[in-house]
Amino acid sequence: AQSVAQPEDQVNVAEGNPLTVKCTYSVSGNPYLFWYVQYPNRGLQFLLKYITGDNLVKGSYGFEAEFNKSQTSFHLKKPSALVSDSALYFCAVRALGSGNTGKLIFGQGTTLQVKP
Amino acid sequence: KAGVTQTPRYLIKTRGQQVTLSCSPISGHRSVSWYQQTPGQGLQFLFEYFSETQRNKGNFPGRFSGRQFSNSRSEMNVSTLELGDSALYLCASSFTSPRLDEQFFGPGTRLTVL
Repeated sequence: AQSVAQPEDQVNVAEGNPLTVKCTYSVSGNPYLFWYVQYPNRGLQFLLKYITGDNLVKGSYGFEAEFNKSQTSFHLKKPSALVSDSALYFCAVRALGSGNTGKLIFGQGTTLQVKP
Repeated sequence: KAGVTQTPRYLIKTRGQQVTLSCSPISGHRSVSWYQQTPGQGLQFLFEYFSETQRNKGNFPGRFSGRQFSNSRSEMNVSTLELGDSALYLCASSFTSPRLDEQFFGPGTRLTVL
């Protein structure tokens, strides 16, 4: 079965410090991986995706993620956190489907708290 | 370009009733997916529609159904509501397929079942 795990319910970091939000996955075949962010009372916003190519993927708002096939991980990173980065972050993997389709399987989410 | 819109934003229903939620995708997007978000279960996939056809379905009972119209707008219906159906229902659209294209999410419809 395909799955995504975000081992930390919450990550706390001081403003200006680097942040990492962890994600590991289990999928048959090559994974398609995504990160989304959700602010209170809002839908999810796309941050970045890994389909193929460079293991370091750059996304929106200064975020990046590193794909590590041997560790089956896709951790989200940012060199310098902002208070405005505080939100709920979801890692997702595309599930294998029939034809050209595929549903996304989401992790449970990690709340990021950036303190001033 | 307008984003994904969902109506209504908030709904309060009682057990046993039925409800219809609407989603208008981004112009030009043909794939619409629906998700249920709850604190306990997180984000769970309901179904995906493309060109008026259901392409994928999650593990939800038959009380949950959906459809897509020729203009790509989509509706989902929940019949015989249960307390456990209280959730944020999110709609997402993508150009062709969630397989490769990022999905753009609407703000959601918050359904409360009393």
